[in-house]
Amino acid sequence: GQNIDQPTEMTATEGAIVQINCTYQTSGFNGLFWYQQHAGEAPTFLSYNVLDGLEEKGRFSSFLSRSKGYSYLLLKELQMKDSASYLCAVMDSNYQLIWGAGTKLIIKP
Amino acid sequence: DAMVIQNPRYQVTQFGKPVTLSCSQTLNHNVMYWYQQKSSQAPKLLFHYYDKDFNNEADTPDNFQSRRPNTSFCFLDIRSPGLGDAAMYLCATSSRTGAYNEQFFGPGTRLTVL
Repeated sequence: GQNIDQPTEMTATEGAIVQINCTYQTSGFNGLFWYQQHAGEAPTFLSYNVLDGLEEKGRFSSFLSRSKGYSYLLLKELQMKDSASYLCAVMDSNYQLIWGAGTKLIIKP
Repeated sequence: DAMVIQNPRYQVTQFGKPVTLSCSQTLNHNVMYWYQQKSSQAPKLLFHYYDKDFNNEADTPDNFQSRRPNTSFCFLDIRSPGLGDAAMYLCATSSRTGAYNEQFFGPGTRLTVL
């Protein structure tokens, strides 16, 4: 079956760096997405990786290793507004998104 | 600004009373999706349309129906809501011709069933 695994919850300190991991097993691969979702709101797009390596976008970076079925989202210089859930999603061979349950990130002052 | 709009943002209904949720988009995307998301869970795909082609997920209950009368609008009908249908309903769009095929989400409709 298809499966996306990510930690349920993580805690980090304002100003620090945090890495959220995601492992996946899917039928086909057309890219991996990271979305941010604040409580009670819709997911918003953060990043997309389809080739191995690191994609950097300001304070956020995302890494992909297709051979290992692994990705991570790296958040630097954490701010209180970064407290949210971060969802990993893989686009399968049918161009459908297979979603992880999300990692709830708690930022402490 | 181009966007995905969902109405209403909050919907309260009674057990068994039909409800319709609506979604519209100004992005001119050819694919529209309906997801159900319960607290601390992954979004669960209910339906998607590729243009007018309707695709029903195998495990979507018969209680859920959908309509897409034109490119811009999509509706989700819940014929007889049960307590277990209380959730956030998310509409999303994507363009298969886009660089990323990323999905753009509306703000969601939070459904409460009394």
